[in-house]
Order: sequence, then structure tokens, then C-alpha cells
Amino acid sequence: EDQVTQSPEALRLQEGESSSLNCSYTVSGLRGLFWYRQDPGKGPEFLFTLYSAGEEKEKERLKATLTKKESFLHITAPKPEDSATYLCAVQGRLNAGGTSYGKLTFGQGTILTVHP
Amino acid sequence: KAGVTQTPRYLIKTRGQQVTLSCSPISGHRSVSWYQQTPGQGLQFLFEYFSETQRNKGNFPGRFSGRQFSNSRSEMNVSTLELGDSALYLCASSSGLAGAEQFFGPGTRLTVL
Repeated sequence: EDQVTQSPEALRLQEGESSSLNCSYTVSGLRGLFWYRQDPGKGPEFLFTLYSAGEEKEKERLKATLTKKESFLHITAPKPEDSATYLCAVQGRLNAGGTSYGKLTFGQGTILTVHP
Repeated sequence: KAGVTQTPRYLIKTRGQQVTLSCSPISGHRSVSWYQQTPGQGLQFLFEYFSETQRNKGNFPGRFSGRQFSNSRSEMNVSTLELGDSALYLCASSSGLAGAEQFFGPGTRLTVL
């Protein structure tokens, strides 16, 4: 069974104060690790996909990295508009060796609040 | 390029009733996945459809069912509603390839009284 644990549960930052969110995972054959941002009352917004250890991706103030056991979402000089819940998810393979199509296993998320 | 649309956005039902939710994926995408989101359990996978076939199913009772049409639009149905079915129901659209990113719709907020 794929498992994803995110920490911390909540993070409060001052504007400009850089930090990192952690996503630890166990998966049988990683097909992809995904980061999403979710605002209250809305659907998750896709941010990044990472496929193999050592891979990094950047978008504006966000940078995602991946190791064999965890992923980090680094937020550089955050702004109040970065406040949201950040979700990490994995897609693995089926026990029989196929792909667990469509199934993303999500962590509980990190609620980020950035104060001006 | 239009995003994923879901209808209706809000629903209020009573216990024992049934409900049908609809999802239109991004043009060209053939895979639609459905998720239930609650404060206690987070996002949980319901099922995935690709080219009108269910390819994968999560651990939900048989009261939860779905289907996909030839134009890739999908519906999910919940019969004999229970109070615990109150949740945000999200559909996600993707190409259906292994490891492909999923793009979510705005969700349908279902309240069961």
C-alpha cells in the first residue's frame, strides 16, 4: 500500500522568510510524485511532477526536489499570495507489475500561511 | 484551452437519496479519475475511467459507481446516501499514461442531511 506523510501540518512564515515542506513516501515502483496547491473551496492546482531521484523542478518562488524516500518543496522569499494548502501525491504500480492507473495517493497536506 | 468542468457545484440531499455528478475533462484527455475529499480522510481515490472502461477502483462500497461516455465525459453516482458521504467530490483529467499529471476540476460540494 502506497503511503505519503507530509510535514509540518501547518507552517506560518513572515513574507520573505524562506522554508521547506517535506513529503515522505513509500511506494511500490514510483511512476511519479506530484505537488499540488489547493486554495479553500477549490480543486487542487497542479504544480510539479518528479519522476526519479535527483530530479529538480522550479516555478517562480517554488522548487521541488526528489530523493528515493522523500520530496521537498522549497519556498523562497514567499509572499502572502503563496498562502494555501500544499499537497503531495504519488502514483505507484500495481502488485502485479502494472500501473495503478489514475490512482494518486495523497498526503494530508501542509497548510502554509504567509504573513505580510 | 478549457479546463476541467464539474456540475453541479453544490448539492444538498437527504439520507437514502441518490445523486449523480458530472465531469467534463480537458479536450483530448481520455482519462477521468474521481476523488472524495473530507477534512478527516483527505483526498481518497474512488475510480478511474479510460476510453469508457474502468481501469482502477479504490476502497469504496458498491454504492459508489461511475461511467464514462464516448466523448470522455464522466459521471459518478452515489446511491442510498449516508451522512458520511458529505464531502467535496473532485474529478481529475489526464492523458491516462503512467505517471501523467492530473488536472483537477473545481469539485462538487455534496451535503447529506
